[in-house]
Amino acid sequence: EAQVTQNPRYLITVTGKKLTVTCSQNMNHEYMSWYRQDPGLGLRQIYYSMNVEVTDKGDVPEGYKVSRKEKRNFPLILESPSPNQTSLYFCASSQTGWEGYTFGSGTRLTVV
Amino acid sequence: GDSVTQMEGPVTLSEEAFLTINCTYTATGYPSLFWYVQYPGEGLQLLLKATKADDKGSNKGFEATYRKETTSFHLEKGSVQVSDSAVYFCALSGEGNTGGFKTIFGAGTRLFVKA
Repeated sequence: EAQVTQNPRYLITVTGKKLTVTCSQNMNHEYMSWYRQDPGLGLRQIYYSMNVEVTDKGDVPEGYKVSRKEKRNFPLILESPSPNQTSLYFCASSQTGWEGYTFGSGTRLTVV
Repeated sequence: GDSVTQMEGPVTLSEEAFLTINCTYTATGYPSLFWYVQYPGEGLQLLLKATKADDKGSNKGFEATYRKETTSFHLEKGSVQVSDSAVYFCALSGEGNTGGFKTIFGAGTRLFVKA
């Protein structure tokens, strides 16, 4: 089944403790992206990647890092999480970007 | 910069009513336009898309037409069902900073359909 898999689904952590949210797709898609969803703000793009080793900032990249060492994986790294990064995070992938994304099921992160 | 504006919700309708959710955009170049749907506790699913002016996207009874002259992509359905209750997001894909693309979403419109 074609899908985007994120882990974990739920995560509660403390301020400053580094964490990684993993994302993997099995569709051989070129493009991958991370979004955060907050009430009243819709989805805001954090980072996106057009191919292996090619990444670019979205609208809200501060406090996040990404890497794209393999085509299928696009982890999101929070080096020093803060409470304002409490949110619902989505990973998504697309073959060209112009035909729309396939989304993962989301990761609900709480930073206390 | 590029942006997407959609009507605020929630929108509450009775079953079999006509649905319109307005969406307008600003963008440089020629973006692709999308509607996504998010059911409770799930990720977003692509509902329909249009890649050029005057294209009509359609799926599951929903339709939207890419209107370049009014920079709009309004979502419509002739007869809604309770199962259509969800949050609907309008989005565009346009040029990114490094020649790739970036996708921008509207704030979402929650739809409640009553039996």
